[in-house]
Amino acid sequence: DAKTTQPTSMDCAEGRAANLPCNHSTISGNEYVYWYRQIHSQGPQYIIHGLKNNETNEMASLIITEDRKSSTLILPHATLRDTAVYYCIVRGGNTDKLIFGTGTRLQVFP
Amino acid sequence: GAVVSQHPSRVICKSGTSVKIECRSLDFQATTMFWYRQFPKQSLMLMATSNEGSKATYEQGVEKDKFLINHASLTLSTLTVTSAHPEDSSFYICSARDPRVPHNSPLHFGNGTRLTVT
Repeated sequence: DAKTTQPTSMDCAEGRAANLPCNHSTISGNEYVYWYRQIHSQGPQYIIHGLKNNETNEMASLIITEDRKSSTLILPHATLRDTAVYYCIVRGGNTDKLIFGTGTRLQVFP
Repeated sequence: GAVVSQHPSRVICKSGTSVKIECRSLDFQATTMFWYRQFPKQSLMLMATSNEGSKATYEQGVEKDKFLINHASLTLSTLTVTSAHPEDSSFYICSARDPRVPHNSPLHFGNGTRLTVT
C-alpha cells in the first residue's frame, strides 16, 4: 500500500473551514484514499473515501488532485467536537488491511 | 450501518495473568477481522489479521504465542493477552468490513479496549 504524509498538527478556528492535506505520491491506480478520525480514547471513525473524483458527504468533502498524488479533506464549518487526529490512508482493492500513518492532530479553538 | 463492538471497554489485570478481549460484528458476518494496538500519543499499529476458521496472520514483530487470536465464529474474534506485563498496557482496537458491500467500502472499528497491567 502507498504511504501517506500529513502535517503533524493544525489549528482551526471554530466555524471556519478546516483543510487537511495529505500527500500520497506513490498511490497506484486501484488504490482508494480513505479518511478516518480518532477522538481521544475512541476507535477510529470513518469520514469519507474516494478514488479519483471529488466526494462529499454529510461530514466532509474530499478533494483529490487530478494526478491523485495528493488530497485534501475539508470540514466546512469546524466545531470544537471536530478536534481529533485525522488519518489519511491509501488502500488497494486486493486487501482489507488499513495501515495507519501518524495523522494530523487538528485542534479547533473557540 | 455496520457496527463493531468490543468488550470490555477497559480492563485492569495483574502482571502474569491473561486477559481476553472480544470483538463482535453486530449486524454482519465478518470472515476477517483486524487487531490493532495503540500506545499513548502514537498511531494505530496493526498486530494481526483474524481469519474465521483458520489461523491468524501476525504482523512482523508480534508474538503469536503472547497474543492469541481466535476467530471461532463469523461474528466473534477474541484476542487473549497471555502472561500480561506492564509493557502490554495499551489501547487495543479491532476492525472488520461488511462483506456484503463493495470491497472499497470502509472498514468499521470498535471503540477499543484500554488494558492496564499492574
